[in-house]
Amino acid sequence: GENVEQHPSTLSVQEGDSAVIKCTYSDSASNYFPWYKQELGKRPQLIIDIRSNVGEKKDQRIAVTLNKTAKHFSLHITETQPEDSAVYFCAPQINFGNEKLTFGTGTRLTIIP
Amino acid sequence: GAVVSQHPSWVICKSGTSVKIECRSLDFQATTMFWYRQFPKQSLMLMATSNEGSKATYEQGVEKDKFLINHASLTLSTLTVTSAHPEDSSFYICSAGTRGRSGELFFGEGSRLTVL
Repeated sequence: GENVEQHPSTLSVQEGDSAVIKCTYSDSASNYFPWYKQELGKRPQLIIDIRSNVGEKKDQRIAVTLNKTAKHFSLHITETQPEDSAVYFCAPQINFGNEKLTFGTGTRLTIIP
Repeated sequence: GAVVSQHPSWVICKSGTSVKIECRSLDFQATTMFWYRQFPKQSLMLMATSNEGSKATYEQGVEKDKFLINHASLTLSTLTVTSAHPEDSSFYICSAGTRGRSGELFFGEGSRLTVL
């Protein structure tokens, strides 16, 4: 099965600074790369995703970059705000849709006001 | 976006009793649902894949006789934790998808189980 790791496991940044979380995966067949945000006690929410035919995707303060050769993709959050504090999970997939997810180990992001 | 609802959102039970958790897709038909378990400060771990009209597929290490899954209709899957013990205390989350839509998976709100 897919082996998925995230780094760092915890990250604290000053409000307004940028945060970067990296996800490495093992299965070279993976072609869909989402990031989920989970607030305490709540369900994971898809915040951004990218497919293997592009290298970068941006949505306002959030971006995802993909390096398929090296088998890793990263989440970038700029101008961080307190509400960005949460746990973030990556979940690379082989096929988009109806696919069981293997979540990464998770990264707890804390934004310091 | 599509809505997936779980019930109950939290439950406290005595050791040895059984607890049923429901996962419903409210505005679409879900041919496949997935059940995850999440212990405190850990990632979500897939327990089983629930397919409408057929037996669930369990992940390695998950006891199928302890975690009974039924997917009787295209909008409802249930997870029953039988003879619950304190070590079964966890956050259980379902997700649902269907080939007829975009393929995106939608998560339920989660159910927090505490076994005393």
